Amino acid sequence: GAGVSQTPSNKVTEKGKYVELRCDPISGHTALYWYRQSLGQGPEFLIYFQGTGAADDSGLPNDRFFAVRPEGSVSTLKIQRTERGDSAVYLCASSLSQLGHNEQFFGPGTRLTVL
Amino acid sequence: KQEVTQIPAALSVPEGENLVLNCSFTDSAIYNLQWFRQDPGKGLTSLLLIQSSQREQTSGRLNASLDKSSGRSTLYIAASQPGDSATYLCAVRQLDRDDKIIFGKGTRLHILP
Repeated sequence: GAGVSQTPSNKVTEKGKYVELRCDPISGHTALYWYRQSLGQGPEFLIYFQGTGAADDSGLPNDRFFAVRPEGSVSTLKIQRTERGDSAVYLCASSLSQLGHNEQFFGPGTRLTVL
Repeated sequence: KQEVTQIPAALSVPEGENLVLNCSFTDSAIYNLQWFRQDPGKGLTSLLLIQSSQREQTSGRLNASLDKSSGRSTLYIAASQPGDSATYLCAVRQLDRDDKIIFGKGTRLHILP
């Protein structure tokens, strides 16, 4: 596709439920990033993939959060036992490679609301 | 630990004025600095990316400068228009952790018609 796409655009769930958020990167981009943006804050890094493997997951807040990228393209961010504090916009970005000079291109985000 | 600060947090100016948004960062060992625009409920739109070896970048009415040694960047918007109303985010990519981008909290800009 022309850009990074994310689905769903909005997700409302109840506390304690499981959710999956999907990211389709730009075709050919090997690096994929997840960020979380809480209200009034800048995005914060969660996890980064180079190919199929998670190269850096230091930003995941706890073990309820997990992400996969099994074929090195689409990625899914999974949140178990959701809490109200998980409510935020989850942004995905991709770049040609992880090298610093390659720009990260962002998707429109998924707005998650936990009731 | 890299910290990115944006001042002011919010700004309202009359249409037509020139304005400057400020960004500062604590660790000067960066790969690049990027300015983004974010409209309410929307994703990020990249405006300008300045590599660490560059001093400034220009696009239309926008000009971004970078002073890496002092840890500062400014985004200059000329002849502001109501359509410029949005949140502007500054972000840096570090040399030693080039996998992630560190963002500021943004400046919410409102251009008064």
